[in-house]
Amino acid sequence: GENVEQHPSTLSVQEGDSAVIKCTYSDSASNYFPWYKQELGKGPQLIIDIRSNVGEKKDQRIAVTLNKTAKHFSLHITETQPEDSAVYFCAARDRGSTLGRLYFGRGTQLTVWP
Amino acid sequence: NAGVTQTPKFQVLKTGQSMTLQCAQDMNHNSMYWYRQDPGMGLRLIYYSASEGTTDKGEVPNGYNVSRLNKREFSLRLESAAPSQTSVYFCASSEAGGPASSTLHFGNGTRLTVT
Repeated sequence: GENVEQHPSTLSVQEGDSAVIKCTYSDSASNYFPWYKQELGKGPQLIIDIRSNVGEKKDQRIAVTLNKTAKHFSLHITETQPEDSAVYFCAARDRGSTLGRLYFGRGTQLTVWP
Repeated sequence: NAGVTQTPKFQVLKTGQSMTLQCAQDMNHNSMYWYRQDPGMGLRLIYYSASEGTTDKGEVPNGYNVSRLNKREFSLRLESAAPSQTSVYFCASSEAGGPASSTLHFGNGTRLTVT
């Protein structure tokens, strides 16, 4: 199956700075890459996703980039705010999966200091 | 709209006891999933149900059983709990497979401690 590596495991930034989280995947057939945000005591929630036919996608302060050749994708958060503090998970889904099955990275604990 | 509801929120078991974690969704989704989350391990799939009446093993199925009771409900059973099953368990649902419907909707989790 797919193997997703995520770095760093923890990240601390000052409010207003940018944060970048990187993930690599092993299966070149993977075609869908979502990012989930998990706030304390809650389940993960989808914040942005990208498909393999797109190189970059933006939604206000967050953006995701995908490099299919290198098999890595990244989450970029600009102008960070304290409410961005959470655990972020990347994931990958292989082309052969018809069930929405995702393979998750191990998560990044982001802390934004005021 | 409640989304995905899990019960209970917290549970403490002794080794060898059994229990069932309940999950229900009100979004008319076809697919449902059980994940466990352990520190530094991310989310690992235990079992999933692609549609009512079907279930399949995920990455870490040993020690668990599931039942897709109807389209709304998907339960996870621990027959003989072990300390290694101490974890946070998340139920999730999605509309169906395929590229247009891969978003997982998660419940808020059940925190299980086995002593």
